[in-house]
Amino acid sequence: EIVLTQSPLSLPVTPGESASISCRSSESLLHTNGYKYLDWYLQKPGQSPQLLVNLVSNRASGVPDRFSGTGSDTDFTLKISRVEAEDVGVYYCVQGLQTPITFGQGTRLEIK
Amino acid sequence: QVQLVESGGGVVQRGTSLRLSCVVSGLPFSDYAFHWVRQAPGKGLEWVAVISYDGTYTFYADSVKGRFTISRDNSKNTIYLQMNTVRVDDTARYYCAREHGSLPGANFAFWGQGDLVTVSS
Repeated sequence: EIVLTQSPLSLPVTPGESASISCRSSESLLHTNGYKYLDWYLQKPGQSPQLLVNLVSNRASGVPDRFSGTGSDTDFTLKISRVEAEDVGVYYCVQGLQTPITFGQGTRLEIK
Repeated sequence: QVQLVESGGGVVQRGTSLRLSCVVSGLPFSDYAFHWVRQAPGKGLEWVAVISYDGTYTFYADSVKGRFTISRDNSKNTIYLQMNTVRVDDTARYYCAREHGSLPGANFAFWGQGDLVTVSS
């Protein structure tokens, strides 16, 4: 199975500053169709997860442009510019290239 | 509005069975794959199972293979998770989620609120 390793696991951020979360895959997530099957989700406190970014860099509907995703075939980054209080929660990367679908361990973003 | 409502959870004894249901409304159902994802208390997300739009294909996490069965009834807009021979480490909140459909790989575009299953020893 594909293993996703996130870092850091805890991320204290001052409002207005930027934050980056890394997700490293044990295998290439490049599909034969040319897409890389890596998504990012945010689980806010007490809520179900929500899709943030699809296929490495495509923001889901309604997601602010403060969120951006980049990556190679195995190394991916979610950057949050100008962090706000509403960004608090746990961020997960997830690969959908093959079953079993696997999640990273999660990165907890908190406000300093 | 969009609703995925899970039910059937509760406290059960180790080794017994239960069936979770996920009723979907306000969202197209029969053309889409659905998943179950779980989250143990204080832990991260774990994918459990997926079923194709017509029920032809199902896949499972190794941790539940042979014990859990995902199914669907397109006439009732409902997804099921039959959980047999449950173990203490199956204790989790179980979420039902629908794929996006238009975005490749966006497996969990719509989520329910989850239902808590607690397995006692």
